[in-house]
Amino acid sequence: AQSVSQHNHHVILSEAASLELGCNYSYGGTVNLFWYVQYPGQHLQLLLKYFSGDPLVKGIKGFEAEFIKSKFSFNLRKPSVQWSDTAEYFCASVYGGYNKLIFGAGTRLAVHP
Amino acid sequence: SQTIHQWPATLVQPVGSPLSLECTVEGTSNPNLYWYRQAAGRGLQLLFYSVGIGQISSEVPQNLSASRPQDRQFILSSKKLLLSDSGFYLCAWSLGGLNTEAFFGQGTRLTVV
Repeated sequence: AQSVSQHNHHVILSEAASLELGCNYSYGGTVNLFWYVQYPGQHLQLLLKYFSGDPLVKGIKGFEAEFIKSKFSFNLRKPSVQWSDTAEYFCASVYGGYNKLIFGAGTRLAVHP
Repeated sequence: SQTIHQWPATLVQPVGSPLSLECTVEGTSNPNLYWYRQAAGRGLQLLFYSVGIGQISSEVPQNLSASRPQDRQFILSSKKLLLSDSGFYLCAWSLGGLNTEAFFGQGTRLTVV
C-alpha cells in the first residue's frame, strides 16, 4: 500500500533559522506530490506541487521543495523562517486515480521571535 | 473563482446521535468531491470520494456514509455516532483528469461525548 512519511512531528525554530521538513513517499506509479499548510484557524492551503519536470519546485511565501526520485523524497525547505510560518505542514501524494490524496502525519512548526 | 463552504465549524454531539455535515462548492461544474478525516496525532485520511451525482466510493470501513444529491453538494452522515468518530473533518474538491490539486474547506471539529 502507498504511504507518505513525515519525519518530524514537532519542530521549534527561531526566526531567521533555516527549515527543512522531510517527506518520503512509497512508489505508486505516477508521482504527484504536494505540500499543504494549515495556519492556525485557517483552512488547508497548497504551498507547492510537483507533477513532472524540474525537480526543484518553488511555492508561495519563499518555500521550495526538491523531488529526489532515487530517495523517494520530497523535502520542504525555506532558507529563513518567520514567526508567521508557524503552522502545521502536510506532505501528500496522489494515489489510485481520481486525484485521491494520501497524507503524512503532519509537522507542527513553531517559530519563536 | 471557485469557493468551498463547509459547516458547521465545530460540533459537539452525544454518542448515538445522528450526524450531518454539509459541503458545497461554487464556481465549477462536475468537480471530484472528497471527505477526509484527521484523528488526533494522525494525518488526514480519505473517507469518501465522488466523481459525480449519486456516485460515492468509500475508502475505509466505518460508521459514516456520504451522499451527493447535487453536483456541487457533498454530505457526510451517520445514523448513530460513536466516540471514535471524533475528529477533524475536511471536505475538498478537485477538477477531474490528471495533474490537478485539491482545494479544502475550513473543516469541522466534531467531538462526540
